[in-house]
Amino acid sequence: EPEVTQTPSHQVTQMGQEVILRCVPISNHLYFYWYRQILGQKVEFLVSFYNNEISEKSEIFDDQFSVERPDGSNFTLKIRSTKLEDSAMYFCATRVDADTQYFGPGTRLTVL
Amino acid sequence: AQSVTQLGSHVSVSEGALVLLRCNYSSSVPPYLFWYVQYPNQGLQLLLKYTSAATLVKGINGFEAEFKKSETSFHLTKPSAHMSDAAEYFCAVSEGGSNYKLTFGKGTLLTVNP
Repeated sequence: EPEVTQTPSHQVTQMGQEVILRCVPISNHLYFYWYRQILGQKVEFLVSFYNNEISEKSEIFDDQFSVERPDGSNFTLKIRSTKLEDSAMYFCATRVDADTQYFGPGTRLTVL
Repeated sequence: AQSVTQLGSHVSVSEGALVLLRCNYSSSVPPYLFWYVQYPNQGLQLLLKYTSAATLVKGINGFEAEFKKSETSFHLTKPSAHMSDAAEYFCAVSEGGSNYKLTFGKGTLLTVNP
């Protein structure tokens, strides 16, 4: 069964550093999402992406965040200058049909 | 705006007992509703979904949920709990449109006692 994959599984970085989280969507999926889950809190929507542009973003998704699909397969989330409060599990999700999103296993980001 | 409330952050049942996890939603349009399960150190796996067809929805691993519009609820049930059901369960709502972004509840941790 096709799966969404994410790399790395765990990323440790120093505050102020840039990080790039990578997602490989299921091959025929067209809509892509990033969510995050701070430890002990609910899963929160960050951004959605379709047809090579952002279709919606949340208040969390400020100028420090960006997304792109650089090579037609990977879907990336970049955080330009990480803060302590960016420490969280980041989930990529993708969909092809009208409703169901399929989630990857997540990347745990730890900012020191 | 859409929102989800999951009553009970932690539910504990005995193996073989009924599982009932509660979810109430708020939506300005007919919603799409989902239950996802998260096993330790894993991602979110879709259990079942409601998308305006049958109000009683059956999912994987023997779980089912009933959409009740009058009560704005979408509670998850399983007649007989198994040890392998121990996980965190998230209810989510989507208002569809062009984006289908999900709004999640805070989750309910289910523990199953032998």
